Amino acid sequence: AQTVTQSQPEMSVQEAETVTLSCTYDTSENNYYLFWYKQPPSRQMILVIRQEAYKQQNATENRFSVNFQKAAKSFSLKISDSQLGDTAMYFCAFGNTGANSKLTFGKGITLSVRP
Amino acid sequence: KAGVTQTPRYLIKTRGQQVTLSCSPISGHRSVSWYQQTPGQGLQFLFEYFSETQRNKGNFPGRFSGRQFSNSRSEMNVSTLELGDSALYLCASSFGTGDHEQYFGPGTRLTVT
Repeated sequence: AQTVTQSQPEMSVQEAETVTLSCTYDTSENNYYLFWYKQPPSRQMILVIRQEAYKQQNATENRFSVNFQKAAKSFSLKISDSQLGDTAMYFCAFGNTGANSKLTFGKGITLSVRP
Repeated sequence: KAGVTQTPRYLIKTRGQQVTLSCSPISGHRSVSWYQQTPGQGLQFLFEYFSETQRNKGNFPGRFSGRQFSNSRSEMNVSTLELGDSALYLCASSFGTGDHEQYFGPGTRLTVT
């Protein structure tokens, strides 16, 4: 079974600064997907970024980028030029492949962006 | 294109009752997954339906069940409600089974008293 660990429950960052959210996971599989989802207060969860395990290149989406370390089973999210709208709960998720595939989520981290 | 919709958005039920929640996926999406979100346990996978068939099931008691219709709309049912069933129930749709690029609905907030 897969596990996803987000050890920091809360973080705070000044507007326009950069912040990194940590995530580690445990799996015996070689092929899988990793995701960061964002859940703003009282709003629906949206996909921020996706990484395929077979790709060595780290995924980027505008101000969001990941540092994927497969051997270390680490998958951190870097948010550059933080904006007030980035205030949300962020979930790291692991997606296995094949039969019985599903998403396994970490506990989440609450990120507050200060003006 | 319309997003994932869930009805009702809020629900208050009494212990012992049963409840049915509905989810309409994005047009063209055939897979619907359900999750339970609580402060203590976080997001936990309930089940996934694809082409009207349950493809995967999480570690929840048999009181939790679901189904999917030919138009891909899905319902989940919880029977004999317990206080611990109070949670935000999220539905997510994707194009195919095993496609983890899931799009989430706003959720149904269930309160059991």
